[in-house]
Amino acid sequence: KQEVTQIPAALSVPEGENLVLNCSFTDSAIYNLQWFRQDPGKGLTSLLLIQSSQREQTSGRLNASLDKSSGRSTLYIAASQPGDSATYLCAVRNGGSQGNLIFGKGTKLSVKP
Amino acid sequence: SQTIHQWPATLVQPVGSPLSLECTVEGTSNPNLYWYRQAAGRGLQLLFYSVGIGQISSEVPQNLSASRPQDRQFILSSKKLLLSDSGFYLCAWSEAGHTQAFFGQGTRLTVV
Repeated sequence: KQEVTQIPAALSVPEGENLVLNCSFTDSAIYNLQWFRQDPGKGLTSLLLIQSSQREQTSGRLNASLDKSSGRSTLYIAASQPGDSATYLCAVRNGGSQGNLIFGKGTKLSVKP
Repeated sequence: SQTIHQWPATLVQPVGSPLSLECTVEGTSNPNLYWYRQAAGRGLQLLFYSVGIGQISSEVPQNLSASRPQDRQFILSSKKLLLSDSGFYLCAWSEAGHTQAFFGQGTRLTVV
């Protein structure tokens, strides 16, 4: 059974700092991995999608990497801003394109001005 | 562009009352549709998914049911709510054959 773990559960950093959020999964036979952002009381916003054949994806100040064999992904945020404060969720998709997303519990990020 | 609408945003219902949450997607055809629940301190749990009209798969036994009466409409229902049904319910969609998932804004359900 696939399990997704995100460490740390919470993180507080000063503005401008570069930071890394971690995601690990127990079954390396994933179809893809997706990072989401969730603001309090809101839905999920998709940030980056990495297919199983890819090593990384970049969007602006965000860079996500995937090491499928070791069951790990990282989300790197450069030059963090207070507006980056949110909960970041990692999800893996098993079983092909129709497979379901299995989520971690998230990392709650707080960027202090 | 595609959009997903989910309503209501918040709902307070008494125990034993019925429930109907609606989700619609615009700008795409034959999407895969999903209902998730997010409970405090826990990850998102997949409740139901649908790959087509009238096709519903349930991931966990529960007091809830889902229906897909139209291609881009997904409804989450209950005949009698329990206190344990409280939570944050999220609808999501992805294109058939594509794998990026997009989520609605969620419904905060409180059963009292």
